Amino acid sequence: AQTVTQSQPEMSVQEAETVTLSCTYDTSESDYYLFWYKQPPSRQMILVIRQEAYKQQNATENRFSVNFQKAAKSFSLKISDSQLGDAAMYFCAYSEYTGTASKLTFGTGTRLQVTL
Amino acid sequence: DAMVIQNPRYQVTQFGKPVTLSCSQTLNHNVMYWYQQKSSQAPKLLFHYYDKDFNNEADTPDNFQSRRPNTSFCFLDIRSPGLGDAAMYLCATAQFPSTDTQYFGPGTRLTVL
Repeated sequence: AQTVTQSQPEMSVQEAETVTLSCTYDTSESDYYLFWYKQPPSRQMILVIRQEAYKQQNATENRFSVNFQKAAKSFSLKISDSQLGDAAMYFCAYSEYTGTASKLTFGTGTRLQVTL
Repeated sequence: DAMVIQNPRYQVTQFGKPVTLSCSQTLNHNVMYWYQQKSSQAPKLLFHYYDKDFNNEADTPDNFQSRRPNTSFCFLDIRSPGLGDAAMYLCATAQFPSTDTQYFGPGTRLTVL
């Protein structure tokens, strides 16, 4: 079974600074997708960024970018110019296709605190 | 705006008293998922529907059932809630195989007394 590991239970960053959240995963597949989801307190989980494994280019979405190292099975998230609204739980997730759906395996999450 | 809606947002039930959680979507996606998320843990997939085709995860307890009467609605039934079933229940949707991105609802927080 695929596993996703987030080794940083909590991180803190000052407003306007940059922070990197780590994620590693284990799979024997060659084609898959990776995601970072954000879950603010008492609010719904939203997609931050996705990466297709067959693409070598790292995905970027405005202030969010990833460092995808396929051979190392590493998928870190970099948040630039951190804002107070970035405070949330961040989940790394691995997606695999089955016959009827794509299924997500989540890591245990990293709680990000943003300070003034 | 297209969205995933869960009702109620907060549900309190008694030990052993059946409870039903509701999810609806305006995205017209063919896949609907139910996740259980316990405090400070990752979401855990319980089951999913692909159209009307029900797919149970191997480790989902029999106490959990689901119904999908039409494309828009999906229900999670907990037949005899135990204290260990207290959690946030998340509904998500996706359009398979067009996209693997899942869209989540706000969740229902279940308390078992």
